[in-house]
Amino acid sequence: EIVLTQSPATLSLSPGERATLSCRASQSVSSYLAWYQQKPGQAPRLLIYDASNRATGIPARFSGSGPGTDFTLTISSLEPEDFAVYYCQQRSNWQLTFGGGTKVEIK
Amino acid sequence: QVTLRESGPALVKPTQTLTLTCTFSGFSLSTSGMCVSWVRQPPGKALEWLALIDWDDDKYYSTSLKTRLTISKDTSKNQVVLTMTNMDPVDTATYYCARMLAVAACDAFDIWGQGTMVTVSS
Repeated sequence: EIVLTQSPATLSLSPGERATLSCRASQSVSSYLAWYQQKPGQAPRLLIYDASNRATGIPARFSGSGPGTDFTLTISSLEPEDFAVYYCQQRSNWQLTFGGGTKVEIK
Repeated sequence: QVTLRESGPALVKPTQTLTLTCTFSGFSLSTSGMCVSWVRQPPGKALEWLALIDWDDDKYYSTSLKTRLTISKDTSKNQVVLTMTNMDPVDTATYYCARMLAVAACDAFDIWGQGTMVTVSS
């Protein structure tokens, strides 16, 4: 099973700042890497799929990079609604796994 | 508009079997490329994928839970059913069903249900 390690666990930033979230895979997942945002009491929302493709309706301030084993989600300028938990997720050989999450909190 | 809704018991006893139903609208699971999965999230913890079923009735399970899970679909009713046997308190979680992104060969979850909280306790 491929393990996804997200860092940092918590990111304390102010609105308007740039956020850089990391997701490292224990082996290559090619480009099969997605990112989700989850707010308290809500279901996750797809942000990025295939490492760098924004999902429908996702603002351009969200971007993703890969492929291979090291992936990054960048939020270019944090809006108040962006403070949430972010998860990465991969599919390899029809086994899907999620990372442990990064919480982006207001500094 | 695509929607998914989970239903099932809120409380189950240890050793019992859990049956959850996902009722969806806005798409057909008989359309080539379509997939639906179940994902769970224990309180305060990360997401965990459980099982996936595709338009061709292929089924895939989490390796760690494979012996306890069964996923099935009823295309005529637009439903996907998950059963999990031998429930334990550690299985207490919110259970989500989610459609998977067909254009990305079912490697991401694009639409999620609201989730249903299941507590395992005697």
